[in-house]
Amino acid sequence: ILNVEQSPQSLHVQEGDSTNFTCSFPSSNFYALHWYRWETAKSPEALFVMTLNGDEKKKGRISATLNTKEGYSYLYIKGSQPEDSATYLCAFKGLGYDMRFGAGTRLTVKP
Amino acid sequence: GAVVSQHPSRVICKSGTSVKIECRSLDFQATTMFWYRQFPKKSLMLMATSNEGSKATYEQGVEKDKFLINHASLTLSTLTVTSAHPEDSSFYICSATIRGLGNQPQHFGDGTRLSIL
Repeated sequence: ILNVEQSPQSLHVQEGDSTNFTCSFPSSNFYALHWYRWETAKSPEALFVMTLNGDEKKKGRISATLNTKEGYSYLYIKGSQPEDSATYLCAFKGLGYDMRFGAGTRLTVKP
Repeated sequence: GAVVSQHPSRVICKSGTSVKIECRSLDFQATTMFWYRQFPKKSLMLMATSNEGSKATYEQGVEKDKFLINHASLTLSTLTVTSAHPEDSSFYICSATIRGLGNQPQHFGDGTRLSIL
């Protein structure tokens, strides 16, 4: 059974705070790790696809790191804004396995 | 960017009705499309992988006679929930990738909220 765990389940921060959350996945048979942002009433939007151990990707104020040997990825948001409020999903793609999504971290940024 | 359109966005119907959901890739050819279901407060669960011109691959526990998937063209996949019952009420969402590779981002539709009375 492939377990993809995300923590925390939900997070409330003030505007301007920096925050981070975690995606844990199996450390064997790794192929790719995806991050998506899912805003209410919209479809999930791809943020990053990471494939190499030690990868670090950045998109504006959002960045992500990847450790395939220990099976985790962090997503960081610097200087959170209300428009960052969304559910952040990670998805693990293993060799010989279909994509498995975590349950998501619901972020609320208060003005 | 790549756009996926899913229709309808919401369906309310009586038990025993069959419901068809369409997923279209609007500006790219999707050889592979994916169908997911989301239970309340749970993650997206892959139901099946749909490949253009061939039979869909269903995940363990998903009834292929219940959830009929057709992928007749490179831009359209359909999911038909046959003889739907209240336990089929859920949020269904499709996605598509260019070339269907795991190292390419998935492009999602807006989802369909299905409510069976």
